[in-house]
Amino acid sequence: AQSVAQPEDQVNVAEGNPLTVKCTYSVSGNPYLFWYVQYPNRGLQFLLKYITGDNLVKGSYGFEAEFNKSQTSFHLKKPSALVSDSALYFCAVRRLANNNDMRFGAGTRLTVKP
Amino acid sequence: DTGVSQDPRHKITKRGQNVTFRCDPISEHNRLYWYRQTLGQGPEFLTYFQNEAQLEKSRLLSDRFSAERPKGSFSTLEIQRTEQGDSAMYLCASSSFAGSSHNEQFFGPGTRLTVL
Repeated sequence: AQSVAQPEDQVNVAEGNPLTVKCTYSVSGNPYLFWYVQYPNRGLQFLLKYITGDNLVKGSYGFEAEFNKSQTSFHLKKPSALVSDSALYFCAVRRLANNNDMRFGAGTRLTVKP
Repeated sequence: DTGVSQDPRHKITKRGQNVTFRCDPISEHNRLYWYRQTLGQGPEFLTYFQNEAQLEKSRLLSDRFSAERPKGSFSTLEIQRTEQGDSAMYLCASSSFAGSSHNEQFFGPGTRLTVL
């Protein structure tokens, strides 16, 4: 069975500084990896995904994530944080051969302070 | 707006009552998913449909839960004899699936259920 761990419940950064939100996964076989963001009173919004190919994936709003197979990680990064990036971020994994069951992490609350 | 919509956004009910939620997916999407999210947790998969066929149900989906997608468009999730433990946010998502493509899921705003 696949699973995702987000080791930090909360991440605080200052506006303009780089941010990293961590994610590690466990899955048999090749994984599909996703990042979603959730703003208050709104649904989850897709940010980016890794399927295959380049380990560095670029997504919406200037976010990127690096797939590291040896460390089974898929950390979300942004070079310069904005106050508007403050939200709840979820990492998710799906087995390559299984299209339906996506497992989410517990989420990391990102707060960007001006 | 052509995104996923859910109705109602909030539902308060008394224990033992039945509730039904509706999800309207993105029109061209043939897959529809239901998730449950409790406070401090990520969404947990409940069930999904491809067109009108319900292809998988999680063990989280007890016999009191039933989902339908009769015409392959909107879907309903019914909870019978609600319990306080059913209080959660119920999320719907949709995606397109064709052959071997594995597209991301698009989520609705959710229905927050409170069982008193």
